[in-house]
Amino acid sequence: GAVVSQHPSRVICKSGTSVKIECRSLDFQATTMFWYRQFPKQSLMLMATSNEGSKATYEQGVEKDKFLINHASLTLSTLTVTSAHPEDSSFYICSVEAPGETSGTDTQYFGPGTRLTVL
Amino acid sequence: DAKTTQPNSMESNEEEPVHLPCNHSTISGTDYIHWYRQLPSQGPEYVIHGLTSNVNNRMASLAIAEDRKSSTLILHRATLRDAAVYYCILQRLYNFNKFYFGSGTKLNVKP
Repeated sequence: GAVVSQHPSRVICKSGTSVKIECRSLDFQATTMFWYRQFPKQSLMLMATSNEGSKATYEQGVEKDKFLINHASLTLSTLTVTSAHPEDSSFYICSVEAPGETSGTDTQYFGPGTRLTVL
Repeated sequence: DAKTTQPNSMESNEEEPVHLPCNHSTISGTDYIHWYRQLPSQGPEYVIHGLTSNVNNRMASLAIAEDRKSSTLILHRATLRDAAVYYCILQRLYNFNKFYFGSGTKLNVKP
C-alpha cells in the first residue's frame, strides 16, 4: 500500500482568509490523488481528482475557484480553501491511487484528514 | 454514481465472526468491490477488494455472490478495535477509478 500524510491535522482560521492543506504520498509516486470532504456524522463526499502535471477535475457542484488544487509533484497535492467561511468548516481527506494488495486494479489509500474550523 | 446499500448499523460480540452485507444490484462487469473502514476523526482504512472471486487477507475475507449483485465482508473474530463505520464501494474503471461513498454500516462490538 501507500502511506499518506496530511498537514496540518487541524486548523482554525478567521472568515475570509485562505487555508492550504498538504497531502503527501510518502512511499509511492502518485499521478492521481483525490480530495474528499466529510461533514459531522455524514459520509465522505468526493470533491475533485488531482492529476500530477495537469488541472484537477472537480465533481459537480464543487467550486473550482474556491477549492484550488495543485499537484505539482508525484508526492504532493495541495488543496487551498480560498476566502473561507464558516460553512467550509469540515474534515478534509485526501487519498492516493496506488496498486492494491491483490492484482487487478489500483485502490486508494487515505490520509489521516485535516479538521478545518472557520470562525 | 455506483450505488451500494448497507444496513445503517450492526452489533457483534467480541471474538465472534461478523458478516457485513452490501447490495450493489447495478454493478457492471468491470466494477471492483472495495471495502474500507473508518474510525472517528480518521481517514478511511483499506480493508479488502475483489472482482469476482472470494478474497482473503490478514484483516478479513470478502465473499462475492455469483451474480455479483451483493457481497459480504467477513471479520472472522471481532475485536473491540474493529468497531468502526464500514463502507462498501464500487470502483468504476471507466470513470477514472473514482470512489463514491455510501452511508456505510456502523459496527458496534460488545465485550
